[in-house]
Amino acid sequence: AQKVTQAQTEISVVEKEDVTLDCVYETRDTTYYLFWYKQPPSGELVFLIRRNSFDEQNEISGRYSWNFQKSTSSFNFTITASQVVDSAVYFCALFGLDNDMRFGAGTRLTVKP
Amino acid sequence: GAGVSQSPSNKVTEKGKDVELRCDPISGHTALYWYRQSLGQGLEFLIYFQGNSAPDKSGLPSDRFSAERTGGSVSTLTIQRTQQEDSAVYLCASSSRQPWGGYTFGSGTRLTVV
Repeated sequence: AQKVTQAQTEISVVEKEDVTLDCVYETRDTTYYLFWYKQPPSGELVFLIRRNSFDEQNEISGRYSWNFQKSTSSFNFTITASQVVDSAVYFCALFGLDNDMRFGAGTRLTVKP
Repeated sequence: GAGVSQSPSNKVTEKGKDVELRCDPISGHTALYWYRQSLGQGLEFLIYFQGNSAPDKSGLPSDRFSAERTGGSVSTLTIQRTQQEDSAVYLCASSSRQPWGGYTFGSGTRLTVV
């Protein structure tokens, strides 16, 4: 069975603070993909990043960075110098050999000005 | 089409009525997924299609829920004898055979059962 846990239900920060969203996953597959999605107040889910299980290299894209550690089954997401526009619900997801994407419960991030 | 299209965008129905939700995936995408998002909750997997077949129906919450896909394209999610707990946003996503780039989600159908 596959499972994604996002222990942080809600996080509130002040603009320009750094924030890390945690994601821990469980799978018995050796090949799998991990994703992060953003759901702004408009409701539409926006794809942010995909990482396959064989690539543990961390990735940075602008103010966003992702830390994938297979040893701890974690795929954490950090936003540096947060902005009000980053306020959204963020979902971590796992895609494995059973061909469906399992999502975590989401973390609601509020960035206050 | 350019994106995943879902209709209607909003649906209000009376308890006990049947509803049909439609999803039109991106042209050429062979995989289609339905999820449900209740207010303030995460995404609950409902069903997945590869072509016209549904290898995984494990997420359908009850036998009142069914889905079909025809011609490898449009999918319809049907909820019979709706209950108030069915109120949620129903999201559809499509991808090519493997979601190397991730899914593309539609804007969802907000279903309210009164």
